[in-house]
Amino acid sequence: ETGVTQSPTHLIKTRGQQVTLRCSSQSGHNTVSWYQQALGQGPQFIFQYYREEENGRGNFPPRFSGLQFPNYSSELNVNALELDDSALYLCASSQTGESYNEQFFGPGTRLTVL
Amino acid sequence: QKEVEQNSGPLSVPEGAIASLNCTYSDRGSQSFFWYRQYSGKSPELIMFIYSNGDKEDGRFTAQLNKASQYVSLLIRDSQPSDSATYLCAVNRYAGGTSYGKLTFGQGTILTVHP
Repeated sequence: ETGVTQSPTHLIKTRGQQVTLRCSSQSGHNTVSWYQQALGQGPQFIFQYYREEENGRGNFPPRFSGLQFPNYSSELNVNALELDDSALYLCASSQTGESYNEQFFGPGTRLTVL
Repeated sequence: QKEVEQNSGPLSVPEGAIASLNCTYSDRGSQSFFWYRQYSGKSPELIMFIYSNGDKEDGRFTAQLNKASQYVSLLIRDSQPSDSATYLCAVNRYAGGTSYGKLTFGQGTILTVHP
């Protein structure tokens, strides 16, 4: 069984730039959720993708967008980067339809915005 | 009021002791409850989840849930230095089918187990 993978591991961008983060879900899972974790805080839900459509969104502006592909992998895109976007971005994989929807996290992408 | 609250700690216990981590939540529609462990610089790792009132045991870990009090806890028996990490409590309104499963996290409790 292949676990959740994310790329890149680290990324440094400047304010105003755009970034794309990638995630491959665990084998057998059809759903990907994205979370932002600021230093010293718990992860905050950004959105979830199921069947290639956004299936729920947290309190994040539209400049945060995503995609899911037929193989269930996903991308998170952030436009017009701001300093406060510096955080650990986590992708979580799960199987919608299972009773309690356990979510398993990838290693994360550390984004630094200068 | 935060949706999920945890004592940020740090909680310090001696090796071999029982560590008790607590979490309260505000949404009475929450269906399932998760404990994650996060080592410094790493991503959260699922330890266990619980959905029925009472206790659930897995090895040295016991999760306890009281929906009436909106309270969930994690006990770690025979604590080891390797248990030193941040413990995150998360709740989910997921009701099955295709409804979406947003996890709402607390801010985490830092646990230090000293030899």
